[in-house]
Amino acid sequence: GIQVEQSPPDLILQEGANSTLRCNFSDSVNNLQWFHQNPWGQLINLFYIPSGTKQNGRLSATTVATERYSLLYISSSQTTDSGVYFCAVGRGWNTDKLIFGTGTRLQVFP
Amino acid sequence: GAVVSQHPSRVICKSGTSVKIECRSLDFQATTMFWYRQFPKQSLMLMATSNEGSKATYEQGVEKDKFLINHASLTLSTLTVTSAHPEDSSFYICSARPPPGLAGFPPGVDTQYFGPGTRLTVL
Repeated sequence: GIQVEQSPPDLILQEGANSTLRCNFSDSVNNLQWFHQNPWGQLINLFYIPSGTKQNGRLSATTVATERYSLLYISSSQTTDSGVYFCAVGRGWNTDKLIFGTGTRLQVFP
Repeated sequence: GAVVSQHPSRVICKSGTSVKIECRSLDFQATTMFWYRQFPKQSLMLMATSNEGSKATYEQGVEKDKFLINHASLTLSTLTVTSAHPEDSSFYICSARPPPGLAGFPPGVDTQYFGPGTRLTVL
């Protein structure tokens, strides 16, 4: 099956700093998503981005499908950004499951 | 839109009892729901895919007789952990996928919306 590795596994930032999270996957995919799991366990949809670049406020994401990686950029980080960031990939449309990556645990301190 | 609820949020039970967890899509009909399990500081592991009106598809290594899944309507799926043991203690998360082209959802986006999770502790 597809392997999904994320780096770094842990990240500690001071408020206001920028960061880049990476997601590498081992095979071609046609579905890639980024999620934020807050400290209470709720997963929040950030981006559906099987290819290309998207931006939403302080967050942006880029997926280079041909090279099998995706990047999530967080600018001007805030304490509310703390939690675990997961990328998840899939190979089908509407019929296939998502395979979650290993996650990046982010802690933002004031 | 895209609100998924789970009940209960937390449950503590004695070893040998059965526990039922409900997952509801509150504002859309979901033909497919998924059940995940997450151990502390680990990723989400898919347990099963649940399609309304048909039997669930379980991932390799997941005991279907232990984790009973019922998807009786387009807005409700249930997971029953039968004869629970301490090793079943975990965080259980459900998700719901809206069918493609559903009004009110971004076109061309295949995603899942997640419930808040249920923390199960078996004593």
